[in-house]
Amino acid sequence: NAGVTQTPKFQVLKTGQSMTLQCAQDMNHNSMYWYRQDPGMGLRLIYYSASEGTTDKGEVPNGYNVSRLNKREFSLRLESAAPSQTSVYFCASRPPRGISYEQYFGPGTRLTVT
Amino acid sequence: AQSVTQLGSHVSVSEGALVLLRCNYSSSVPPYLFWYVQYPNQGLQLLLKYTTGATLVKGINGFEAEFKKSETSFHLTKPSAHMSDAAEYFCAVTPYSGGGADGLTFGKGTHLIIQP
Repeated sequence: NAGVTQTPKFQVLKTGQSMTLQCAQDMNHNSMYWYRQDPGMGLRLIYYSASEGTTDKGEVPNGYNVSRLNKREFSLRLESAAPSQTSVYFCASRPPRGISYEQYFGPGTRLTVT
Repeated sequence: AQSVTQLGSHVSVSEGALVLLRCNYSSSVPPYLFWYVQYPNQGLQLLLKYTTGATLVKGINGFEAEFKKSETSFHLTKPSAHMSDAAEYFCAVTPYSGGGADGLTFGKGTHLIIQP
């Protein structure tokens, strides 16, 4: 099992460019999440998906869109990148409630917007 | 709604000394609580969790934490620090029951420094 994988590991964008961060999990989890991590801020939830075909906003959704392509994959898109979106992005997944509440994290994508 | 406060953005201890990282939470419903560790340039790894049952929970690498409902706390301890414990530690909470936004609410993190 690879767990949660994310691509790319690093990315540099210019202001206004777009890109999609990819996330996949092989643990057959229903719920998937996107967080951003900024120094001194901890991790903040951007979007989540409780199941295939559903997505919901988290704490900081502005400037982002997501797609739950299938049960395995959950992508995060920046349509027009801004310097404020410079951050480390983490994808996570979780088994169904009643089995476990812990989340499993990917290795992260370090994004710089210049 | 829930929130997490971690006291001390940086904590420095000597190798072999007690490690104590403080976490207080606020939650309108019974919480599930977690401690995660992040080593430099890596993702988050679960140290331990409290869901229900025993309030003293043991985790990996010799860490443990005690859920104290009356104090709304979930402090992380380790009797004897090792150099390899140097990392960023995050406390997180999620509501026991459903409803509202899913996901973990994290504290801002505590950077643990181990002095030789």
